[in-house]
Amino acid sequence: AQKVTQAQTEISVVEKEDVTLDCVYETRDTTYYLFWYKQPPSGELVFLIRRNSFDEQNEISGRYSWNFQKSTSSFNFTITASQVVDSAVYFCALGSRQLTFGSGTQLTVLP
Amino acid sequence: NAGVTQTPKFRVLKTGQSMTLLCAQDMNHEYMYWYRQDPGMGLRLIHYSVGEGTTAKGEVPDGYNVSRLKKQNFLLGLESAAPSQTSVYFCASTLEVVSTQYFGPGTRLTVL
Repeated sequence: AQKVTQAQTEISVVEKEDVTLDCVYETRDTTYYLFWYKQPPSGELVFLIRRNSFDEQNEISGRYSWNFQKSTSSFNFTITASQVVDSAVYFCALGSRQLTFGSGTQLTVLP
Repeated sequence: NAGVTQTPKFRVLKTGQSMTLLCAQDMNHEYMYWYRQDPGMGLRLIHYSVGEGTTAKGEVPDGYNVSRLKKQNFLLGLESAAPSQTSVYFCASTLEVVSTQYFGPGTRLTVL
C-alpha cells in the first residue's frame, strides 16, 4: 500500500519569508513518481512538478524548489520569498499505477 | 482546447435521489479518474478507467458507479445519494498511467 504524509496541516508566514512544505511517502514500488499540486482558494488543482524515482536531482523553478531524498523517502517543497498569492493548499502525491494524495498543507502568507 | 471539463459545477440533492456527474476531456487521454475531496483528507480515488469501455475501483468506490462508453467521457453515478457523499468531486485525465494528471474544475455536491 502507498501512503503520503504531510504532517504540517497549516503554516502561516509573513510575506518574503521562505517556507518549506514537508512530504514523506511510503511505497514498495521501485519505480514511482512524485507530484506537487497547488489548490488556490478558487478551488482548482494546479500541477506544479512531477519527479520520477530515478531522478534525485533537486529542481528549481523561479521561487519554487524541490528537494527529493530517496534515502529518507521525502520530497519537500520550498517557496523562497513567499508572496500573498502563494496562499493555497498544497498537495503532495505519489504515483505508480494510481495517485495517492497527502492530506494537504494549508499555507497562508500574510502581507 | 478546453482540457478537462465537469458538469455540473454545483448540485444539491436530497437523500435517496440519483444523479450523474459528467467529465469530458479533449486531450485524447486514455486514463480518466474520479476523486472526492473532503476537508482534511486530501483527494481519494473513487473509480478510474484505463481506456474506453473499462472501469476499475479505487480506494472509496462504495455508493458510486461509473461508465466510459466514449474515450473522451467518464461518468460518475450516484444511485441513491447519502449525506456522507457530500463532497467536492474532481475528475482527472492523463495520457499514460504515471503521467501528470490534469484536473477538472470540480463539482460541489451537497446531499441533504
